[in-house]
Amino acid sequence: NAGVTQTPKFQVLKTGQSMTLQCAQDMNHEYMSWYRQDPGMGLRLIHYSVGAGITDQGEVPNGYNVSRSTTEDFPLRLLSAAPSQTSVYFCASRSGAKAFFGQGTRLTVV
Amino acid sequence: AQRVTQPEKLLSVFKGAPVELKCNYSYSGSPELFWYVQYSRQRLQLLLRHISRESIKGFTADLNKGETSFHLKKPFAQEEDSAMYYCALGRTGRRALTFGSGTRLQVQP
Repeated sequence: NAGVTQTPKFQVLKTGQSMTLQCAQDMNHEYMSWYRQDPGMGLRLIHYSVGAGITDQGEVPNGYNVSRSTTEDFPLRLLSAAPSQTSVYFCASRSGAKAFFGQGTRLTVV
Repeated sequence: AQRVTQPEKLLSVFKGAPVELKCNYSYSGSPELFWYVQYSRQRLQLLLRHISRESIKGFTADLNKGETSFHLKKPFAQEEDSAMYYCALGRTGRRALTFGSGTRLQVQP
């Protein structure tokens, strides 16, 4: 049972490049979400999904897209990377009261 | 709007000293409160939640609706408690969690 798996763990992008952060869970959870973690700001919700085919915006959605074609996968796409998107990104899935987090992706945009 | 405030960025104590990590929230409905912990090089994980009223690794937290607080307490800190602690608020009917900015706990020998 792998839980929530994120890839890659580290990534460096140039300004303007696009990329996709992958997230997969094997717990059959309906609810999944993406957060970014920045010093002094905690975790801020980017996008979330309550089930396959359903996504919605969180607090800081600008510059990011998501899709949920299956229950297991919830990729996060950066359309045109900017230095302000340098952060650590966490994917989470939730069932009931407990949320399970991936190990994080450290993204640097230069 | 819902909000979670953790006023301390860093809390440094000596081993064996009592610990209290503060968390205040603002939410007009019936809240679900959680504490999550992130140890060095590990993923974020649930420490405890107010509904279960449990004690995990010696930590407890009581929801005080009058003061809108959910402070995390431990009577005797251990070095292995050093980590980043996040208070989180869940809202009725919505599964998104709102996190505080986090408090880094350093337990010195």
